[in-house]
Amino acid sequence: GAVVSQHPSRVICKSGTSVKIECRSLDFQATTMFWYRQFPKQSLMLMATSNEGSKATYEQGVEKDKFLINHASLTLSTLTVTSAHPEDSSFYICSASDWGYLQFFGPGTRLTVL
Amino acid sequence: GIQVEQSPPDLILQEGANSTLRCNFSDSVNNLQWFHQNPWGQLINLFYIPSGTKQNGRLSATTVATERYSLLYISSSQTTDSGVYFCAVGNTNAGKSTFGDGTTLTVKP
Repeated sequence: GAVVSQHPSRVICKSGTSVKIECRSLDFQATTMFWYRQFPKQSLMLMATSNEGSKATYEQGVEKDKFLINHASLTLSTLTVTSAHPEDSSFYICSASDWGYLQFFGPGTRLTVL
Repeated sequence: GIQVEQSPPDLILQEGANSTLRCNFSDSVNNLQWFHQNPWGQLINLFYIPSGTKQNGRLSATTVATERYSLLYISSSQTTDSGVYFCAVGNTNAGKSTFGDGTTLTVKP
């Protein structure tokens, strides 16, 4: 149980384009989903917290207009990186929780912006 | 916000050896998890342990909440145990967690 999927697993795009990443909880209803980014050899940094049906809460320093988060249902959250630039290249990981504390992580999406 | 420190940053072991990883945190917590990140980036839940002791096979964990630390024990290590071990803690009702910098474990055959 407690499986979280992410799609795509890897994406390469040109600078200036937008990229959408999907995060799905496959066998449970996720009231809360979290989005992280991880640079090579570094820890995970929380970007935002999203609750189904409400606006995401962004961490300090994260541009909400650049990283659009939509949590439209209890099993799906999306992260859209708008007008991506090379400095946005990173490993993006989502997690899902059904009661707020125990998080289950997706396999991650490796974004490369050329 | 809450600060999380993990030690040691790197650990190299021979297969079969035992190890102890430590996580110190700066404030009281209501949420503490240990994860293993494999070489492909997938984070695997090991323990949810805001207090007390748990065991799962060769792994066990202890959190002493009053002294603000948690320990992860790995016994009879195997090469497949290699990877990065993260401790993540939280103290809000929002459920969000702060990750430590991790311990990179390399188990040699």
